[in-house]
Amino acid sequence: QLQLQESGPGLVKPSETLSLTCTVSGGSSSSNTYYWGWIRQPPGKGLEWIGTIYYSGSTYYNPSLKSRVTISVDTSKNQFSLKLRSVTAADTAVYYCARVYPSYSSGWPFDYWGQGTLVTVSS
Amino acid sequence: EIVLTQSPGTLSLSPGERATLSCRASQSVSSSYLAWYQQKPGQAPRLLIYGASSRATGIPDRFSGSGSGTDFTLTISRLEPEDFAVYYCQHSETFGQGTKLEIK
Repeated sequence: QLQLQESGPGLVKPSETLSLTCTVSGGSSSSNTYYWGWIRQPPGKGLEWIGTIYYSGSTYYNPSLKSRVTISVDTSKNQFSLKLRSVTAADTAVYYCARVYPSYSSGWPFDYWGQGTLVTVSS
Repeated sequence: EIVLTQSPGTLSLSPGERATLSCRASQSVSSSYLAWYQQKPGQAPRLLIYGASSRATGIPDRFSGSGSGTDFTLTISRLEPEDFAVYYCQHSETFGQGTKLEIK
């Protein structure tokens, strides 16, 4: 059974960089050959797609966040990471990592999700 | 930019009833990229439907998806107590705002 686990600081100061890592375990081929994504959910609100990365390193970002986001992958460690720069209180949210359904190279339906991690932006 | 509008915002039904949830796109979209999720409090979303009508692994057959173009529907044929949750539709990088399905 594939498992994803987010890790990183739960508190980030305004103007600083939010950094999260997603570790993938289980399944027949961990992080290889799949697309992976980050999605966030502000408290009490809906879902927002942040970006998606292919195991080869190709990335696709939400245009509204593109100037501040970097997603990277480390297949040797079965991990992919999110960096969001210049954060404000509006970036406070539960951040999820997830796997794109196999055979999809666009459209991004996510079939496996991490449990999510709450990141609060506050001084 | 495509906008997905879900209706109703809240749906109050009783166990055993049929639920029909709507997702309308601001322009015609590919049904291949239309997905539905269920989210319960404190949990990650769970993929129910992808490609507008294909059930994800392990999803009971009381859940079904349909639609094309701009109008898509998630139907739960006979509500079970565990089905009361928030449901989101998604097309590519866009999510709908969600429909809360609550017990009447």
